[in-house]
Formats: sequence, structure tokens, C-alpha cells
Amino acid sequence: DGGITQSPKYLFRKEGQNVTLSCEQNLNHDAMYWYRQDPGQGLRLIYYSQIVNDFQKGDIAEGYSVSREKKESFPLTVTSAQKNPTAFYLCASSIQWTAGQQYFGPGTRLTVT
Amino acid sequence: GQQLNQSPQSMFIQEGEDVSMNCTSSSIFNTWLWYKQDPGEGPVLLIALYKAGELTSNGRLTAQFGITRKDSFLNISASIPSDVGIYFCAGQLSETSGSRLTFGEGTQLTVNP
Repeated sequence: DGGITQSPKYLFRKEGQNVTLSCEQNLNHDAMYWYRQDPGQGLRLIYYSQIVNDFQKGDIAEGYSVSREKKESFPLTVTSAQKNPTAFYLCASSIQWTAGQQYFGPGTRLTVT
Repeated sequence: GQQLNQSPQSMFIQEGEDVSMNCTSSSIFNTWLWYKQDPGEGPVLLIALYKAGELTSNGRLTAQFGITRKDSFLNISASIPSDVGIYFCAGQLSETSGSRLTFGEGTQLTVNP
């Protein structure tokens, strides 16, 4: 089955530690995205990648970093510089950058204490 | 980033009732999308709209692309308990913005059996 996988589903870290969230897709999509969702709020764009080896900052990129070395993978690192990292993180992809439809993974809930 | 105005924020209805929700913006969009999110899961695409005035159905769901291109509506007929969740609208400004989407803050739907 084609789709987007995110792992792990739940992640716990101590304050001051960096943590990397995994996102893999086997849809052969060019573009990938990372969003952050806080309770009762919509989705905010962290980073996006139009194509392999390219990525751009979204609206709330501070304290986050990404890489796109392979078409199917777009990992997100939450660094210790992110002041409020506890949130639900969603990865998405679209067939190409100009295509409107984005498809989402199941999400990773990160808790930092 | 810009947020869409989505209303209502929450709805409590009885099973069998029809539901309507909408999104408005001060900007013109060339694509409107509607997603549903179950608790702790990623959003699932329900309907995509590409032309002003377009009316599209997906089972008991019907969505419309407003003729001003600044709004969209989602209707759910004969609601059932599994309709419970958060419904998000999303808009794509133009092809030059790629598939970068602007999201509404969601409508939380509760269906009482």
C-alpha cells in the first residue's frame, strides 16, 4: 500500500535534547512538508521541500532543521533552540510542488519535559 | 502566515441532522480543499475544488467553491456517529505559491447518537 509513514507515534524527550522525527513516503511524490499542530489550532508550516536536495523555511522554522537527501524521506529535527517543542507534528506530501492536494501521515506527538 | 476564517468553531448535533460549515478569506484562492482529522491522526483529504462555482460531492459530503473565490462551504447530510472529528478547510493562493496551503482553524463536530 502506498502512503506516508511517521515514526514513532509518541516521543518523549528531556528539555535541551535534540530529537529527529521520521517521515517516509512511497507515493513517488516530489514535494514534502512538515506542519505543527497545537491543541485547538490549525496547521502551521515549518519547512517544505519542492524536490530532493531542496528545502525552504515555512512560517515557523526557528528551532527546527530538515534534510531531503532522498526523494522518499524528509526527517525533521527539533533542536534545543525550539522554545516550545511539545506539539503534534504532521508530515505531508504532494505529487509535485504546483499540485494543490497534500496527503498527510499519521503524525508524531512529541512531549518535551 | 495568513489564516482562513472557518466557522463555526464547534458543532453539537443529533445523528441524522445535516451539517454546514464554511471558510472565508480576504484573498482569492484558486484551489480549496476540505480535510477531516480524527483524534490523534493525520488529516484525510475529503474533497478538492478547482473552479469558482464548482460543486463536488463525496458520498454524503458536498462542497462548493464560492463564486467570489474567497470562500468555500462543506455540507454533510444525514450525519452519523463516525462523522465526529475536526474538519479543516485549506486554500491554495496561486500556482506560484506552489502547493503551499493556508489552513482554517477547524470545525470540531460532535454527533450524538
